Amino acid sequence: KQEVTQIPAALSVPEGENLVLNCSFTDSAIYNLQWFRQDPGKGLTSLLLIQSSQREQTSGRLNASLDKSSGRSTLYIAASQPGDSATYLCAVIELNEKLTFGTGTRLTIIP
Amino acid sequence: GAVVSQHPSRVICKSGTSVKIECRSLDFQATTMFWYRQFPKQSLMLMATSNEGSKATYEQGVEKDKFLINHASLTLSTLTVTSAHPEDSSFYICSADRAGVNEQFFGPGTRLTVL
Repeated sequence: KQEVTQIPAALSVPEGENLVLNCSFTDSAIYNLQWFRQDPGKGLTSLLLIQSSQREQTSGRLNASLDKSSGRSTLYIAASQPGDSATYLCAVIELNEKLTFGTGTRLTIIP
Repeated sequence: GAVVSQHPSRVICKSGTSVKIECRSLDFQATTMFWYRQFPKQSLMLMATSNEGSKATYEQGVEKDKFLINHASLTLSTLTVTSAHPEDSSFYICSADRAGVNEQFFGPGTRLTVL
């Protein structure tokens, strides 16, 4: 059974700093990996989708990498802003289209 | 494009009643939709996979007779929580799989509170 873990569970950093969020998964036979953000009480906003044949994806200040062999993905956020405060979830997508979500990292950017 | 809606966004009901939640893909057809549940401060857990015109596939530990799923058309799936109890209070989120895109698009979620 796939297990997805995110470290740290919570992170607070001053505004302007660069930061890295980590995601690890136990079964490397995945199809894709996706990063989401979730604001309190809200649904999911898709940030980046990395296909299995790719090693990274970039969108603005966000960069996500994927290393299937080691079962790891990272989300890099450059020049953090207070608006980046949210919970960040990674999800592995298996061949049968099922998503298994990670435990989440609650990020707080301190103005 | 690829917008998924859910209705209602928030519902409060009495214990023992049934609640229906709708999930619609507004601008695309979805042969497969997924239902997730999220308890406070926890991650999303897949409850069931809903396929248009066939029976839903439930994850281990999810009672199919309690959580009725109907995927009657390519744009609509419904989740009915029957005889709801306070422990069913949760955030329910659906997603729709857009054919040919290999990506799930998520609805905004429904907050269910059972008194």
